[in-house]
Amino acid sequence: DVKVTQSSRYLVKRTGEKVFLECVQDMDHENMFWYRQDPGLGLRLIYFSYDVKMKEKGDIPEGYSVSREKKERFSLILESASTNQTSMYLCASSPGQVSYEQYFGPGTRLTVT
Amino acid sequence: KQEVTQIPAALSVPEGENLVLNCSFTDSAIYNLQWFRQDPGKGLTSLLLIQSSQREQTSGRLNASLDKSSGRSTLYIAASQPGDSATYLCAVMGSYIPTFGRGTSLIVHP
Repeated sequence: DVKVTQSSRYLVKRTGEKVFLECVQDMDHENMFWYRQDPGLGLRLIYFSYDVKMKEKGDIPEGYSVSREKKERFSLILESASTNQTSMYLCASSPGQVSYEQYFGPGTRLTVT
Repeated sequence: KQEVTQIPAALSVPEGENLVLNCSFTDSAIYNLQWFRQDPGKGLTSLLLIQSSQREQTSGRLNASLDKSSGRSTLYIAASQPGDSATYLCAVMGSYIPTFGRGTSLIVHP
């Protein structure tokens, strides 16, 4: 079974802190994604990556950056956390052109105070 | 730009009922469509994936159909149980970037 893991289930950070969220997948998937999910707004794509060291902005990249140094790992970075970044963060991966089926991690509930 | 709509937004039914959840999309040029389940505070769990060349997929009490030409998919849940209570989301892949619906929140009461 494909497994996508996220570094933390719950995280509490202070305003202005630099925050790292890590995601690891174990099935050699090319594509990896970071979403945030907020009540009433649904899932919104922050960044995605289709290969090592490659990244593309999604719908809401402002205030975030990403890093993909290894194929299995995709990190989301909040350069200076703000209270409006309090949210559920979801990582997903999918294989290449054969299938675009998405596999999600358990999510990280981030609270910025 | 692809838009995905799920109707109804919320549903509350007694145990044992057969259910139909709807997902509609505006652009029929898709590779596949995926149905997910999400429990409160958790990630998304994949239920069914329908390739664009397929008409339906089945897994246990779940059956998903796809009609590309009309831009519709349905998720049929047979003999619903309280454990089916969750939010159900559909995602449409026109490329490797999916477009998600807002979901249908389902409550099955005993």
